[in-house]
Amino acid sequence: DAMVIQNPRYQVTQFGKPVTLSCSQTLNHNVMYWYQQKSSQAPKLLFHYYDKDFNNEADTPDNFQSRRPNTSFCFLDIRSPGLGDAAMYLCATSRGTVRDSRHNEQFFGPGTRLTVL
Amino acid sequence: GQQLNQSPQSMFIQEGEDVSMNCTSSSIFNTWLWYKQDPGEGPVLLIALYKAGELTSNGRLTAQFGITRKDSFLNISASIPSDVGIYFCAGTGTASKLTFGTGTRLQVTL
Repeated sequence: DAMVIQNPRYQVTQFGKPVTLSCSQTLNHNVMYWYQQKSSQAPKLLFHYYDKDFNNEADTPDNFQSRRPNTSFCFLDIRSPGLGDAAMYLCATSRGTVRDSRHNEQFFGPGTRLTVL
Repeated sequence: GQQLNQSPQSMFIQEGEDVSMNCTSSSIFNTWLWYKQDPGEGPVLLIALYKAGELTSNGRLTAQFGITRKDSFLNISASIPSDVGIYFCAGTGTASKLTFGTGTRLQVTL
């Protein structure tokens, strides 16, 4: 089945120790997104890639970076995690082809729960 | 960032009851999406709506795209225990980014 995969599902890191979360997709979608979700809140968009074009949200801290080496993979790097960065991190994809009426539908992975000690 | 007004915030209902929740916005949206999120998992797309007035069903779920394009509702008929979770509405305007609702937490008792 076509899907969005996130690894690991649970990640524990120490305060200030860099961490990388990964996402892969078999949907062959053009757009990949990274969201941060804190308890009982809606997901908050950090940034997204349209193909290789990187789009950062204005309020995303510089501590968060992303890489998309190819269509299938996207990485979230947190350079110096703080206690406030503990959250669920969600990856999502969408077709992004405007002539397709379903291009805005986003499909989410299962998420990575990050704990910062 | 911007959020949609979603209500109710939480619901506690009995198995077999029908459920209704809605989202409203001050802005026009071109697409409305409804997601369900189970604890510790990512949101799962339930229904997508593309045209004002559109009414779409997916099993026991029915959703409508409001005529004004500023609201949408989701109905669940004959609820069962596995309907428990958080339901999010989301909309897109001219850009492809999703604006999420604040979520409705649904709890179902036997």
